[in-house]
Amino acid sequence: EADIYQTPRYLVIGTGKKITLECSQTMGHDKMYWYQQDPGMELHLIHYSYGVNSTEKGDLSSESTVSRIRTEHFPLTLESARPSHTSQYLCASRIGTDNSPLHFGNGTRLTVT
Amino acid sequence: AQTVTQSQPEMSVQEAETVTLSCTYDTSESDYYLFWYKQPPSRQMILVIRQEAYKQQNATENRFSVNFQKAAKSFSLKISDSQLGDAAMYFCAYGYSGNTPLVFGKGTRLSVIA
Repeated sequence: EADIYQTPRYLVIGTGKKITLECSQTMGHDKMYWYQQDPGMELHLIHYSYGVNSTEKGDLSSESTVSRIRTEHFPLTLESARPSHTSQYLCASRIGTDNSPLHFGNGTRLTVT
Repeated sequence: AQTVTQSQPEMSVQEAETVTLSCTYDTSESDYYLFWYKQPPSRQMILVIRQEAYKQQNATENRFSVNFQKAAKSFSLKISDSQLGDAAMYFCAYGYSGNTPLVFGKGTRLSVIA
């Protein structure tokens, strides 16, 4: 089974707070991704990384930022949380080959009040 | 740009019966990869099955099989002998390079009726 971990599992915070969602994987995967999953369950890619010191914005405009200082770690930061950020956030990783599947974490369910 | 369409937002199946989930995609690539993922309620998304476009043989994994029609750009998932544990969101995904993110469909919610 894939070893990719997200913390916290659930988070309720107030508007304006700065938060960081953690994602770590122990598989040595180069590629890592953050998805936002809306209430209808559709997945929206918000950030991804090809490797250390590489970050790219995804399809969904996001007020979040990411960093990739170590291969295994890909945190997502919201500088000032808003109720519109309330969502499920999924982290995923894969090796670099063309046919490699994504391995997903358990997700963080964020509620901004 | 590549797109993936799942035309069935919701499906239901009786336990022990067979159900087929539809997926179509659009691409100009000739070599690519297709995936079905399963996301049970409040649980981790997992890979169900994978198909390489260059392979003519349809992929199978136990009770799960695909019907891959390359010319029609269709990639349906068949679940045989459905079980209560098959109830989940199912996502179809397309990829053609390790350097580009997978493209996901909007998902199909499958209910299994006892």
